[in-house]
Amino acid sequence: TQLLEQSPQFLSIQEGENLTVYCNSSSVFSSLQWYRQEPGEGPVLLVTVVTGGEVKKLKRLTFQFGDARKDSSLHITAAQPGDTGLYLCAGEGFLQAAGNKLTFGGGTRVLVKP
Amino acid sequence: NAGVTQTPKFQVLKTGQSMTLQCAQDMNHEYMSWYRQDPGMGLRLIHYSVGAGITDQGEVPNGYNVSRSTTEDFPLRLLSAAPSQTSVYFCASSRGGDLADTQYFGPGTRLTVL
Repeated sequence: TQLLEQSPQFLSIQEGENLTVYCNSSSVFSSLQWYRQEPGEGPVLLVTVVTGGEVKKLKRLTFQFGDARKDSSLHITAAQPGDTGLYLCAGEGFLQAAGNKLTFGGGTRVLVKP
Repeated sequence: NAGVTQTPKFQVLKTGQSMTLQCAQDMNHEYMSWYRQDPGMGLRLIHYSVGAGITDQGEVPNGYNVSRSTTEDFPLRLLSAAPSQTSVYFCASSRGGDLADTQYFGPGTRLTVL
């Protein structure tokens, strides 16, 4: 069973501060996705990283996939209250027959206070 | 496009009752999945389908049945509800067949079993 551990579980910061969320595993993934989930809604995909060492930027969000494809991080610069939400990482295994099965981390709840 | 729709949004059952959670998508996606979300545990895969007539078990399939008679619909049946099945259930769909495919999630069904 592939496991993904996210840390921290909860993060509370002031508007304008930076934050980093980590996603770690002992398993290798073919790709890793980051989602954000608002209360009462389903997760929404933010980004997918595929290549080891890959860095992707989405405005103030920076995503990195570890060289060994076992870990990833999400860094938010100058956080805003609109960044508040539950951030989930999800890894995809190598088996094509797996039907795009994703293994999710436990989530990091981020609260950005104005 | 409505995307992925789920009904009902809320449901309360008594132990031993059965019910069906409905999921439909209008994006002509081949792959559909059911997840449950519990606090601190992210999303866990219950069952998934890679096309009409094809289903398979995920990580936590016990107590649930699925069928996929059409591309659009993927209902989840609880045979005899138990308090341990109290959770938020999400249906997701994806085009299928590609690495790092984008999964689209429905708004969820919040189920309480008394």
